[in-house]
Amino acid sequence: RKEVEQDPGPFNVPEGATVAFNCTYSNSASQSFFWYRQDCRKEPKLLMSVYSSGNEDGRFTAQLNRASQYISLLIRDSKLSDSATYLCVVIPSGGSYIPTFGRGTSLIVHP
Amino acid sequence: EPEVTQTPSHQVTQMGQEVILRCVPISNHLYFYWYRQILGQKVEFLVSFYNNEISEKSEIFDDQFSVERPDGSNFTLKIRSTKLEDSAMYFCASTFNWDSYYGYTFGSGTRLTVV
Repeated sequence: RKEVEQDPGPFNVPEGATVAFNCTYSNSASQSFFWYRQDCRKEPKLLMSVYSSGNEDGRFTAQLNRASQYISLLIRDSKLSDSATYLCVVIPSGGSYIPTFGRGTSLIVHP
Repeated sequence: EPEVTQTPSHQVTQMGQEVILRCVPISNHLYFYWYRQILGQKVEFLVSFYNNEISEKSEIFDDQFSVERPDGSNFTLKIRSTKLEDSAMYFCASTFNWDSYYGYTFGSGTRLTVV
């Protein structure tokens, strides 16, 4: 089983739509979770950390479900500029802190 | 906003040659990392560095790779004898906390092409 799994998409949505991505992880001892955004041929940029209680930053909401071992990202009122690949990053606990990246979910927002 | 700087942005090298990729992490960060991303694939961890030594490394980071922080600001990745399969984007990143609570800040990357 892959350590961090994401639906590669692409998710093709119109402007203004709400879109949600999930990311599942296999290591139950994982302790830190992030969503990064990566534009084509650019570096990943931190979008938001994912807290246990869930957190919101403007149009973006992140949730963590430890029991089912997944995190989610919800984007409301999609903008053209949201078009990118969204990477899930999971960091384990217990001696190794090697971060594992998902392959990313591609989002295309069209007019 | 502080940033991680990487040079060069693109390097072409012949198979078997040595390359050195350079990074200047954010000045108050304590943990430094190299990642690579082969075109179309996921970002892969190579190595983490703290207190002037390697703290963790992945299976990819074999004897052909080494890292150094020679002068307290630069952080370099050396590939001794490049192979075709080393062609990738190499990202340097840094963070302040060991658990990267605030996430990593990535440099804009060096695209390495081995011919």
